[in-house]
Amino acid sequence: DTGVSQNPRHKITKRGQNVTFRCDPISEHNRLYWYRQTLGQGPEFLTYFQNEAQLEKSRLLSDRFSAERPKGSFSTLEIQRTEQGDSAMYLCASSLFHGYTFGSGTRLTVV
Amino acid sequence: AQTVTQSQPEMSVQEAETVTLSCTYDTSESNYYLFWYKQPPSRQMILVIRQEAYKQQNATENRFSVNFQKAAKSFSLKISDSQLGDTAMYFCALNSGSGGGADGLTFGKGTHLIIQP
Repeated sequence: DTGVSQNPRHKITKRGQNVTFRCDPISEHNRLYWYRQTLGQGPEFLTYFQNEAQLEKSRLLSDRFSAERPKGSFSTLEIQRTEQGDSAMYLCASSLFHGYTFGSGTRLTVV
Repeated sequence: AQTVTQSQPEMSVQEAETVTLSCTYDTSESNYYLFWYKQPPSRQMILVIRQEAYKQQNATENRFSVNFQKAAKSFSLKISDSQLGDTAMYFCALNSGSGGGADGLTFGKGTHLIIQP
């Protein structure tokens, strides 16, 4: 297993477009997290899955943000009607207990 | 609400020196986990060291060690014999143990550590 994989690495989109990011966690890990990191800040927790169940989503930034993990394996994060303020690095992490492994992130630029 | 504070935005030391990064935190939980993560310019967050709050012994990983002061809610990272490859952003993070991980990690703003040759 090569770790947590995120695709794409970079995404440039026009304001108002929808974007979707994918995260493939470490296969043995049942927990999956999404974070947002803006320049000069630490990552900010967005949402959490245990297997396929989304157990925490109140921290998603707005109703334009949604996440899925349909079969308890990979996950997707979608942002609808993107705004310039959505420009950031989106990080995925997976864990089994209290050990978190992060992916390399997807850098989103909204122009 | 949990908070993590890193008061040093940037630090610079010479190669082979010892450096200590500061972190304070606040939580109402009695059981929690503390982490130091390293984020090099390539941007992937790498776990440096982890401390479980119920363990009094300070965690160590090779050149990296922590000074965990539970009463003071302080969790500093000491890097001994610093190397050029240690240059990175370092983030202190906190996770509640009671939530089973559901509350994710709370991060500080980070310290940019520069190791000078």
